[in-house]
Amino acid sequence: TQLLEQSPQFLSIQEGENLTVYCNSSSVFSSLQWYRQEPGEGPVLLVTVVTGGEVKKLKRLTFQFGDARKDSSLHITAAQPGDTGLYLCAGDFGNEKLTFGTGTRLTIIP
Amino acid sequence: NAGVTQTPKFQVLKTGQSMTLQCAQDMNHNSMYWYRQDPGMGLRLIYYSASEGTTDKGEVPNGYNVSRLNKREFSLRLESAAPSQTSVYFCASLRLWNTEAFFGQGTRLTVV
Repeated sequence: TQLLEQSPQFLSIQEGENLTVYCNSSSVFSSLQWYRQEPGEGPVLLVTVVTGGEVKKLKRLTFQFGDARKDSSLHITAAQPGDTGLYLCAGDFGNEKLTFGTGTRLTIIP
Repeated sequence: NAGVTQTPKFQVLKTGQSMTLQCAQDMNHNSMYWYRQDPGMGLRLIYYSASEGTTDKGEVPNGYNVSRLNKREFSLRLESAAPSQTSVYFCASLRLWNTEAFFGQGTRLTVV
């Protein structure tokens, strides 16, 4: 079983603060995605990273893919209440068997 | 554009009853998936289908069967429901070029 570990599991911070969440695996990803899920909905894709060392930005969100393609981070600058949700990383290990991490539940306090 | 459609949205079953969860996608994707999501946990893969006519086990296949009826439809069957199968079930299809998964709205299943 190819496991993806996310940390922290829960994070609660004040509006305006910065935060980073992590996704780690012992296996190399062909590609890695970050999704956000809101209550009662399915996950929605935020970004896909493919190349080791790749950095992608989506407004206040910065995604980084590790050089060895075994880990990734999501950094949010100046968090806002609208960022509240469950953040999931998902890895494709080259076999189209898309595996999800355990998730980070983020709460931004106004 | 409907995307991925799951039915039903809610279901309550008694232990030992059977049911089939339906999923259809209109994006012409080859790969489709069934996941379950339990409180405090991410998504765990039950079964997936890389193409019409093929299915493979995921992380937690016991107690489930699947059918890839055609390219659009992928159903999940519980033959004899157990309380441990109480969960939210998500169907997804995969756009290969960027490995983006599109999800249905989920089925909230309770087995009593």
